[in-house]
Amino acid sequence: DSGVTQTPKHLITATGQRVTLRCSPRSGDLSVYWYQQSLDQGLQFLIQYYNGEERAKGNILERFSAQQFPDLHSELNLSSLELGDSALYFCASSIHRDLNSGANVLTFGAGSRLTVL
Amino acid sequence: QQQVKQSPQSLIVQKGGISIINCAYENTAFDYFPWYQQFPGKGPALLIAIRPDVSEKKEGRFTISFNKSAKQFSLHIMDSQPGDSATYFCAARYPTSGTYKYIFGTGTRLKVLA
Repeated sequence: DSGVTQTPKHLITATGQRVTLRCSPRSGDLSVYWYQQSLDQGLQFLIQYYNGEERAKGNILERFSAQQFPDLHSELNLSSLELGDSALYFCASSIHRDLNSGANVLTFGAGSRLTVL
Repeated sequence: QQQVKQSPQSLIVQKGGISIINCAYENTAFDYFPWYQQFPGKGPALLIAIRPDVSEKKEGRFTISFNKSAKQFSLHIMDSQPGDSATYFCAARYPTSGTYKYIFGTGTRLKVLA
């Protein structure tokens, strides 16, 4: 158990629908990153939040949005779903208290597998 | 410039052999280079990491070799075991706007034959 909790583990839905993926970071971690991993593909960075504020955006579609709440958990909202959105969605967290610390590396959750039919 | 190029895409090694995965980068602002191991259906897990001021780091059977001048780093798995069969991602981190951004390689699927 990495300490990063993602729910749900599996989700099957239809095209055009909207889903919300949830992430609870490791205790004490302030930063949350979202990644998408399609079948046999690498990790595509979507978005990052730090202590409630958006800090960086990657290849995130306009149909997707995210937020980080005061308790530091984060939600990734995917709307108007398409078949191509089927993927594993990973959340990762990091401390970011000491920029010079080697401890500032990502810890990943187990992922949420989204299947769009 | 923000890319990390990883090779090979896939690798098959006999049990007991050495697995070598290579990564190259351009951005000199990268300040930390972690490797992640991912088993099917699981999230990537930190395996080993190195700073650019160190040329080599060893943890058990896993070694990172780092060549700063060539902007290349590699993962060596000694005495490879079937249990090492997984996908390996190299990554590079750089500071930006008071936080960090991570760039991942495309991954190497390693299969160790028994």
